[in-house]
Amino acid sequence: AQSVTQLDSQVPVFEEAPVELRCNYSSSVSVYLFWYVQYPNQGLQLLLKYLSGSTLVKGINGFEAEFNKSQTSFHLRKPSVHISDTAEYFCAVIPDNTDKLIFGTGTRLQVFP
Amino acid sequence: EAGVVQSPRYKIIEKKQPVAFWCNPISGHNTLYWYRQNLGQGPELLIRYENEEAVDDSQLPKDRFSAERLKGVDSTLKIQPAELGDSAVYLCASLGGDTDTQYFGPGTRLTVL
Repeated sequence: AQSVTQLDSQVPVFEEAPVELRCNYSSSVSVYLFWYVQYPNQGLQLLLKYLSGSTLVKGINGFEAEFNKSQTSFHLRKPSVHISDTAEYFCAVIPDNTDKLIFGTGTRLQVFP
Repeated sequence: EAGVVQSPRYKIIEKKQPVAFWCNPISGHNTLYWYRQNLGQGPELLIRYENEEAVDDSQLPKDRFSAERLKGVDSTLKIQPAELGDSAVYLCASLGGDTDTQYFGPGTRLTVL
């Protein structure tokens, strides 16, 4: 069965530092890949997505992610974080033989001043 | 454009009581999803509708959960009777015009005492 692994449950970082949130998926076929952000007491908001084409995807709020097929990874990065980036981040995949969105367990990004 | 609307935002009930959640998707979105998000986890699909038809309800605990989308627009998710383990955030999402991005509502946080 398709699965999504977010190895880091929590990532603490100081403001203006770079950050990388890791995501790996298990699949031998093509997938669509997504990163969602969830602010406290809110629903999920799409940050970015990879469907095809360029492996470097740019999203909202200065985030970007790179699809690496050989490593089955889709890590999320931001060169300089803000306090307002404190939130829960979810990686998700849609395997191309289904239309079901499968989520990872999430990574809580905590930005300190 | 209005987003996905859910109500209530919070609900506290005693076990064995019934509870219902309501969702109004983005106008024109034919696909509607209900997810359950347990504490510290990613959302998990409960049911998916295409218009008024439930096309995937394999993860819905049918002994106590039911859902409907009578006119292919609004949807209601019901639990009767609720159990302690049903405490979670119930998220509704609808599928956008690009057919790849699900848009999420703010969720209903259910606490069963």
